[in-house]
Amino acid sequence: GAVVSQHPSRVICKSGTSVKIECRSLDFQATTMFWYRQFPKQSLMLMATSNEGSKATYEQGVEKDKFLINHASLTLSTLTVTSAHPEDSSFYICSARTSLSYNSPLHFGNGTRLTVT
Amino acid sequence: AQSVTQLDSQVPVFEEAPVELRCNYSSSVSVYLFWYVQYPNQGLQLLLKYLSGSTLVKGINGFEAEFNKSQTSFHLRKPSVHISDTAEYFCAVSEKTSYDKVIFGPGTSLSVIP
Repeated sequence: GAVVSQHPSRVICKSGTSVKIECRSLDFQATTMFWYRQFPKQSLMLMATSNEGSKATYEQGVEKDKFLINHASLTLSTLTVTSAHPEDSSFYICSARTSLSYNSPLHFGNGTRLTVT
Repeated sequence: AQSVTQLDSQVPVFEEAPVELRCNYSSSVSVYLFWYVQYPNQGLQLLLKYLSGSTLVKGINGFEAEFNKSQTSFHLRKPSVHISDTAEYFCAVSEKTSYDKVIFGPGTSLSVIP
């Protein structure tokens, strides 16, 4: 089946530094990928839609300059948390569809646990 | 805009007992409905989905769900649970006109007691 790989699975960084998270579609091409944020014991909140070759579409309330998204190829989207602070600590998950069809389900990566100290 | 409600935040159930996880949604247009499962520190895995047709949908791991349009519900059921079913379950909805945007419910934590 379709596989979405996310890297790293865990990262600890110091406050003020930037962290890059990668999301790869391993056996299919994804023109669109999605980035979610999940707080402990809570649901997934859609942060942004990553579009290959164009700017990402951010959800209301998500800071574009803080969460930089780049979708440079059909198999890779990256999320960079810039100038990270402890409140950015969270579980970040990406997902992608194997096709643009409505009946193509979302495939999720295994998530990245970010801890900012 | 659509929204999803999962009334039960935690559901404890004994092994081999049946379970129902409730999901209600709100939307002004037709929707697609999904159930996902999340194991600790992992991403989400699709259990089942309702797109159209039969209102009773069967998924993986013995789960099934029934779409009830009049009650705007999509409850998840399993006749006999196993220890391995212990996980977080998310109901999700997307509008047919903008199906890329999937909205997730708050989740239900299922704990299977041996």
